[in-house]
Amino acid sequence: EIVLTQSPGTLSLSPGERGTLSCRASQSVRSDCLAWYQQKPGQAPRLLIYATSSRATGIPDRFSGSGSGTDFTLTISRLEPEDFAIYYCQQYSSSPPSYTFGQGTKVEIK
Amino acid sequence: QVTLRESGPALVKPTQTLTLTCTFSGFSLREDGMCVSWIRQPPGKALEWLARIDWEGDWDNDKHYSTSLKTRLTISKDTSKNQVLLTMTNMDPVDTAMYYCARITEVGIDHWGQGTLVTVSS
Repeated sequence: EIVLTQSPGTLSLSPGERGTLSCRASQSVRSDCLAWYQQKPGQAPRLLIYATSSRATGIPDRFSGSGSGTDFTLTISRLEPEDFAIYYCQQYSSSPPSYTFGQGTKVEIK
Repeated sequence: QVTLRESGPALVKPTQTLTLTCTFSGFSLREDGMCVSWIRQPPGKALEWLARIDWEGDWDNDKHYSTSLKTRLTISKDTSKNQVLLTMTNMDPVDTAMYYCARITEVGIDHWGQGTLVTVSS
């Protein structure tokens, strides 16, 4: 089973700053099988990025994803107040089908 | 508009069997590529995928389970009612979590229910 390790655990930033979140996989992940989710307190997760770099419907372009192989990155170009949340990366394996999530990165207001 | 809603008991006793229902609208499990999964999240912890049922879910090979929990889980569907059920046997306090159902398409886990909190306690 592929293990996803996210870093840092907590990212303290001010509104307007750039945020860079890392997701490292224990084995190579297909680029079309890596996604990012945002979760705010008391809410279900929301899909932000799929297939490493494609934004989901309605997601603003300040969110971008990149990476390949075992190293993936979510970048928030300029943090808005509503972006302070927990972010999870997730990978999909097809044989057999399974999904694993990272442990999350909390983006908090500095 | 795609919506999913989880329902089930808020409290179960250790060793009991949990049954959760996901009622959805805005799509059908008869549509190619549509899948529904169950995912859980213990309080303050990360997400854990549990099971998935595919649009061809009349066959056992279109039901998929977490390796670590597969002996305890059963996922099924009632296509006419737009419902997906999850049963988990032999519940333990460590199974206390928010349980989400979610739609999966080719882009990923693109719609989630609001979740239902299940507490396991005697």
